[in-house]
Amino acid sequence: DAGITQSPRHKVTETGTPVTLRCHQTENHRYMYWYRQDPGHGLRLIHYSYGVKDTDKGEVSDGYSVSRSKTEDFLLTLESATSSQTSVYFCAISESGGTSGRDTQYFGPGTRLTVL
Amino acid sequence: DQQVKQNSPSLSVQEGRISILNCDYTNSMFDYFLWYKKYPAEGPTFLISISSIKDKNEDGRFTVFLNKSAKHLSLHIVPSQPGDSAVYFCAASLQGAQKLVFGQGTRLTINP
Repeated sequence: DAGITQSPRHKVTETGTPVTLRCHQTENHRYMYWYRQDPGHGLRLIHYSYGVKDTDKGEVSDGYSVSRSKTEDFLLTLESATSSQTSVYFCAISESGGTSGRDTQYFGPGTRLTVL
Repeated sequence: DQQVKQNSPSLSVQEGRISILNCDYTNSMFDYFLWYKKYPAEGPTFLISISSIKDKNEDGRFTVFLNKSAKHLSLHIVPSQPGDSAVYFCAASLQGAQKLVFGQGTRLTINP
């Protein structure tokens, strides 16, 4: 199994508070991704990183920011959490994008976030 | 704008029979398609993929078929086993874009 951890695994917070989720990898993979999983929507890409300090937006990036100061860590921040951000968040890593049969994206165990 | 669609939220199949999961896409520029499997409380794991230049890829009990003219792909599982009960996500990628677009997922239940 790819070495990916996410912390915290569960979090309950209140509307308007800032929240930071952490993804840590031990594989030295270049690419890291943040997804959210919601019923009826599947997995949607929030932000991704293609190197230290190199990030780009995904399809649902509004209300989220990311940072990657080290290869192994990718942080997702909700500046002011809203109830619509209640979701399960997954981090993924890959060597070269995971978009072919020669490479794949490996997913972490997920973080369940509840915003009250 | 859902570029990758899995129109069946759930599917129930008897153990030993064939499971067929379907996926439709709208962007003809997708060059790779992948299937991921997800168990409860775990992250998705890669299952099988197919290049847009092929129409079939097989790996053990799993076969993916691609029909480019119909913009449709399907995952066949034969024979279905109880451990195949999971949510299956279809995903697609654009050439040069190091990211995936996922469908909504289909929950497969294998009944004994």
